[in-house]
Formats: sequence, structure tokens, C-alpha cells
Amino acid sequence: GAGVSQTPSNKVTEKGKYVELRCDPISGHTALYWYRQSLGQGPEFLIYFQGTGAADDSGLPNDRFFAVRPEGSVSTLKIQRTERGDSAVYLCASSSGTSLYNEQFFGPGTRLTVL
Amino acid sequence: RKEVEQDPGPFNVPEGATVAFNCTYSNSASQSFFWYRQDCRKEPKLLMSVYSSGNEDGRFTAQLNRASQYISLLIRDSKLSDSATYLCVVNTNAGKSTFGDGTTLTVKP
Repeated sequence: GAGVSQTPSNKVTEKGKYVELRCDPISGHTALYWYRQSLGQGPEFLIYFQGTGAADDSGLPNDRFFAVRPEGSVSTLKIQRTERGDSAVYLCASSSGTSLYNEQFFGPGTRLTVL
Repeated sequence: RKEVEQDPGPFNVPEGATVAFNCTYSNSASQSFFWYRQDCRKEPKLLMSVYSSGNEDGRFTAQLNRASQYISLLIRDSKLSDSATYLCVVNTNAGKSTFGDGTTLTVKP
């Protein structure tokens, strides 16, 4: 079946611009996660959704970052006034629940470059 | 200090070798543990969960030591296709996973 998909695969933007990154989870998965991965580092937790609500957004670095999941399926990560330090691969994952023991299935990521 | 720490390596081993990675975590309230594998410029994929009793999946063995707060992964009879970065993952709260920065393995012919 179809896995997690993310669009765009690459995004180049200029400092100060607004960007939206989209994630389409595996059908039926109620939990959705966003991570950010910089070169040489592991994925860094940003936010997770259970259904439509953000159950934990403690990883969002500041108020320029915001994410939504209005219908409990597709999610959009929004970054305002981008900075060069925002450059990274943004990974989305989904799982069939938020049990501590559930496997997370990752999408291929969006590589964001802020010039 | 990072919540989850791994030796970054790289580990360079010949085919057929046995190699072991360790991972330490700082939060004693951590409840579930995993190893994920990440190939270059690809997304992470689950390799195996780690149970208190230790568990094995073919050539891979994972162990958990709660008292010392570390997790290990042993790979026997290494294959060229095992070359990847291995990420240690610790869950303390449902829905929030903390990843280590990974250990890079290169298996050479």
C-alpha cells in the first residue's frame, strides 16, 4: 500500500519568506509526527497529532513554526519568516496509534534550503 | 548532555564481522526503546524494538539494561547491505520520540 508521502521533496526559499510543507500519512493512521533532521544528527521531534489535535507541540522551536491537521489526515507544517538556520530535512511520520510501542513510518522528507 | 547518546563512529568492519553499538539515555522514566536504520539520504525505518528480556531477529540482537540506562545492538555476520546509520530511539511519553544522532556502519568486502 501507499506509504507516507511529503511534498515538495525540495524547497529553496529566501530568508524571510513563508513556506508550507505537506504530509500525507498512511491511510487510517491516527497519529502523525513532524521531525527536523540536520546533517549528521538524528531526527529532532517537533510536534505530534492524535487525530486533528496537536497533542504535543513542545518541540516547535519558536512561534514562527506552526502545524495543522484540520481533517485528521493530511498535515501542513508552516514556517513564517524563514531563517538560514531553518535549513534541514523535515520528516513526517505516521503510526496507527500513539502507544509507546507503535512503529512510526516515515516519509521521504522535504529538504528545505533557506538562502 | 543529550537525552540519548550514541558513539557516532564510523565503524568500518569487514564482511562477516560481528559489531556492537551502544546507546545511553538519561531519562529513567523512559519506557520503550527502538533501533531504526537510516540509509544515506533516505528516511529512517524501524529495525527492531528493544525489550527488557532482550530480543533477536536473525543476525540482529537488541538488549536493554534499565539499571545502567543503555541499549545495545549486536550485528553478527555483517553484510555489505548492513552499511547504514543506526539510530537509537527512546520514548518517554506516548507520541514523543527522542532520537540519538546515530552510529554509522560501513561494511567492506
